[in-house]
Amino acid sequence: EIVLTQSPGTLSLSPGERAALSCRASQAVSSSYLAWYQQKPGQAPRLLIYGASSRAAGVPDRFSGGGSGTDFTLTISRLEPEDFALYYCQQYGGSPPITFGPGTKLEIK
Amino acid sequence: EVQLVESGGGLVKPGGSLRLSCAASEFTFSGYSMSWVRQAPGKGLEWVSSISSSSSYIYYTDSVKGRFTISRDNAKNSLFLQMDSLRAEDTAVYFCARVQGYTLTSPMDYWGQGTLVTVSS
Repeated sequence: EIVLTQSPGTLSLSPGERAALSCRASQAVSSSYLAWYQQKPGQAPRLLIYGASSRAAGVPDRFSGGGSGTDFTLTISRLEPEDFALYYCQQYGGSPPITFGPGTKLEIK
Repeated sequence: EVQLVESGGGLVKPGGSLRLSCAASEFTFSGYSMSWVRQAPGKGLEWVSSISSSSSYIYYTDSVKGRFTISRDNAKNSLFLQMDSLRAEDTAVYFCARVQGYTLTSPMDYWGQGTLVTVSS
């Protein structure tokens, strides 16, 4: 089973700043099968990025994903007030189990 | 707009059973794999189970194997999760989600709002 670690646990930034969230895997994620989700309190998760760098439908272009192998990053170029939320990475290699990281909380400084 | 609406959650005693349902609309349900993902109170996301479009392939996380059964009824655009021998650690919000891609483990692009299952005596 691939274990995902996310850092930092909490990131405190101000609107307009750039955010970089990290996701590290315990072993290489095949074919960059890495996704990112955003979750706000009381809401379901929302798919942001899949295939490590492809934006899901309707996701603003200030969100970008990168990385390969074991190290992946979600970058938000200029934070908007609505971006402050929890972010989870997920690996989805060809075989189960599907695993999620523990999450990074992005909070307003 | 794709809609997924879960139902069937509630309070159940340890060892009891519940059957969750997920009603899908505004997309061709029979063409997509589906998944259940849960989230314990204040905790992160945990994948539970996935089922292919024709029910030919089914996966479970180890902690629910032998206790939970995923199924679907394509004629009724519905997904189900039969949960037996429930434990306190199964307490969570259960989300149903549509699988985006061609493989059963692809990302989930649409999610329901979830239904809360509480296992407590």
